[in-house]
This record gives sequence, structure tokens and C-alpha cells, in this order.
Amino acid sequence: DVKVTQSSRYLVKRTGEKVFLECVQDMDHENMFWYRQDPGLGLRLIYFSYDVKMKEKGDIPEGYSVSREKKERFSLILESASTNQTSMYLCASSLLGTTDTQYFGPGTRLTVL
Amino acid sequence: GIQVEQSPPDLILQEGANSTLRCNFSDSVNNLQWFHQNPWGQLINLFYIPSGTKQNGRLSATTVATERYSLLYISSSQTTDSGVYFCAVDNQGGKLIFGQGTELSVKP
Repeated sequence: DVKVTQSSRYLVKRTGEKVFLECVQDMDHENMFWYRQDPGLGLRLIYFSYDVKMKEKGDIPEGYSVSREKKERFSLILESASTNQTSMYLCASSLLGTTDTQYFGPGTRLTVL
Repeated sequence: GIQVEQSPPDLILQEGANSTLRCNFSDSVNNLQWFHQNPWGQLINLFYIPSGTKQNGRLSATTVATERYSLLYISSSQTTDSGVYFCAVDNQGGKLIFGQGTELSVKP
């Protein structure tokens, strides 16, 4: 079975802090994705990566950056956290991009005070 | 961009009942997936179904690509089926676009 893990289940940070969310997959997948989920807005894509050191902006990249130094690890970075970044963050991976099944991690519920 | 609409937004069922969830999309797609998000937030892929019909136990899905809709059938529902069901599509934009979801509650 594919396993996607995220570094924290719950996280509380203060406004202005730098926040790192880590995601690791164990199936040698090429593609990895970061989404945020908000009530009434569904899941929205922040960034994705189709290879090591490659990244593409999703629909809502503002205020976020990403890093993919190793194939199995995809990090989401909030350079200066703000209260409007309080959300559920979900990581996913797939073997062949969006024309393929995506496997999700358990999510990180981030609260920015 | 492509629009994805799911209906109904909410559904309450008695255990053992059957249900049909619908996903309409506004353009042709080369990928359609159904997901279930359990009450703890975990998203599980149910079906990868850009066209045709698939079945997995009590769940089945049908996508009619020419008419731009997909249906998810749940038979003999159980309390563990509760959660939110999402439809997501890609029309060669390289990104999955998610619908708003159908929140299902199955009562014992």
C-alpha cells in the first residue's frame, strides 16, 4: 500500500512565524501535491512537483513556497504565517501526474494565532 | 476554467439504504476521480473513472463523458460510509479540480 505521511497532525503557530509542513511518500512516486481545504471552498491546489527540484504553481500559491530536494519528500513553507492561512493542509502523491490515482496523507490542521 | 458541481450537498440516510451522488462538469475531461474523506480528515481514493462503469464491493461509479457527468452509487449503506465524498477532474490542465463535496451521514 502507498503510504503518505505528514509531519504533524495539529500545529499552532503565531502570526509572522516561518512554518514548515513536511510530507513523505514511500512509493517512489514522481508527482507530489499540496492542497489546502477550507469549509465551503473544497480542496484547492497550492503547489505541485513532478520531479526533484521542480515545482509548479497551483491555484493559490501566494504566501507559500515549496521545496523538493529528494524524491520522497515535499515541503510546504509559509514564510510569514498569517491568520488567513489557518486551514487543513493535505499532501498527495501520484505515479503519473494528474492522469493517475492520487494518494493523500492524513492532513495537518494548522492554526495561526 | 472547468467547473465541477456535486449534488446533493448533504445527505442523511438510515443504515441499509441506497444512495446516488452526482458530479457534473463543464468541459471534457481526461481524468475523473471519486474520493471519500472520513470524519478524521483522511482522503481515500475510491475510483479512477474518466469513462465507463466500475464496481468495488458496495460502491460503484459510472461516468458518461459525452454528457459530462458521473454518478457514485452506495448500496446497503453503513455508518462507516459517513463522511464527505468528493469528485475531482482534470481536463489536461495538469491539475485536479475538486467539487465542493457531498456530506453523507449514515444513521444506525
